[in-house]
Amino acid sequence: GAVVSQHPSRVICKSGTSVKIECRSLDFQATTMFWYRQFPKQSLMLMATSNEGSKATYEQGVEKDKFLINHASLTLSTLTVTSAHPEDSSFYICSASGLAGGLSTDTQYFGPGTRLTVL
Amino acid sequence: QKEVEQNSGPLSVPEGAIASLNCTYSDRGSQSFFWYRQYSGKSPELIMSIYSNGDKEDGRFTAQLNKASQYVSLLIRDSQPSDSATYLCAPKSDYKLSFGAGTTVTVRA
Repeated sequence: GAVVSQHPSRVICKSGTSVKIECRSLDFQATTMFWYRQFPKQSLMLMATSNEGSKATYEQGVEKDKFLINHASLTLSTLTVTSAHPEDSSFYICSASGLAGGLSTDTQYFGPGTRLTVL
Repeated sequence: QKEVEQNSGPLSVPEGAIASLNCTYSDRGSQSFFWYRQYSGKSPELIMSIYSNGDKEDGRFTAQLNKASQYVSLLIRDSQPSDSATYLCAPKSDYKLSFGAGTTVTVRA
């Protein structure tokens, strides 16, 4: 149990284009989803938290108009990087927590990540 | 700023030895603590969680928590080459995880 998927796993795009990343909880209802970014040799940095049906809460310094987050259902959240630029190139990882049988809401389970390269 | 400090590493241990990883945190409001393992180029995977002071064992892994000292550790017994990875300490407070920089462990065959 506690499987989170992400799509795509890798994307290369031109500067100025928008990229959408999907995060799905496959076997549990994700009441809360998190989006992280990780640059090479650095730790994970939380970008935003989203609850199903609510607006996302962004961390300080994260541009909400650039990183659009939608959490329309209990199994799907999307992150759209609008007008991507080379400095947005990074490893984007989602995580989810929720309730399903014995699954605790306290634990975050991570998706496999999406590697974004902006040329 | 919620700070999480981990021993910098890299930590190199021979196969079969014990790897000891340390972590201190600044937020006294942290109530639950998680250890994740991250292989190079991959996302983190949960190893174990700990909520109460003392030890918690799960297979070859033992987590130790001392809230008064704001300290949490992870022991890996009988280290295997497949344990070679970066280990992330992540205290949780206000439903959010704070991550340390991680300790990279290399197990020598």
